[in-house]
Amino acid sequence: QVQLVESGGGVVQPGRSLRLSCEASGFIFTNYGLHWVRQAPGKGLEWVALMWYDGNSRFYADSVRGRITISRDNSKNTLYLQMNSLSAEDTAVYYCARDMSRVVPGAIDYWGQGTQVTVSS
Amino acid sequence: QSVLTQPPSASGTPGQRVTISCSGSSSNIGNNPVNWYQQLPGTAPQLLIFSNNQRPSGFPARFSGSKSGTSASLAISGLQSEDEADYYCAAWDDSLNGVLFGGGTKLTVL
Repeated sequence: QVQLVESGGGVVQPGRSLRLSCEASGFIFTNYGLHWVRQAPGKGLEWVALMWYDGNSRFYADSVRGRITISRDNSKNTLYLQMNSLSAEDTAVYYCARDMSRVVPGAIDYWGQGTQVTVSS
Repeated sequence: QSVLTQPPSASGTPGQRVTISCSGSSSNIGNNPVNWYQQLPGTAPQLLIFSNNQRPSGFPARFSGSKSGTSASLAISGLQSEDEADYYCAAWDDSLNGVLFGGGTKLTVL
């Protein structure tokens, strides 16, 4: 069965960096686009980044562009999110999620359980 | 502030039919498929409707989606207590080159 397991969250001071990981299993990793979506406490869903199935196309939300890098290691079936210059506004649960489409992104059919990132001094 | 606009709340009694709207623009809903997600309290979201009106296996036919122009709607008929959740619409935006989520609608079953 499809599984997405995030790790790497925690408490980090403002201005510091953090790398999240998402280990995938149960499907052919290179056949699907993968997203990071976050949810701040008590707030709605916010899309963060997408690595498209072709492995080359990367897309970012305006709110994180320039501070965040999405990448993948196909040999480890793992997706990453490198986050730099973190601020309190980055505090959220971060979900790794699979896109079922190969035409237009946005149909996310599997989600991980999420990893909590808290930015606080 | 979300570019996809949803009402913050909706409610209904068991057995009723409720609809949740999602308003966008030509760069997102007007030109791309709309997807809907259900998020039960304390859990990760689940895909509820994809490509405007398609249901994944696991969700009953009580849930349906539609799209017209730059707006979309989610309809839930035969409302049940277990439908109480947050519902989000989402679509790709060609101008932003990213996925947009609506602000979410909290559905209460009275």
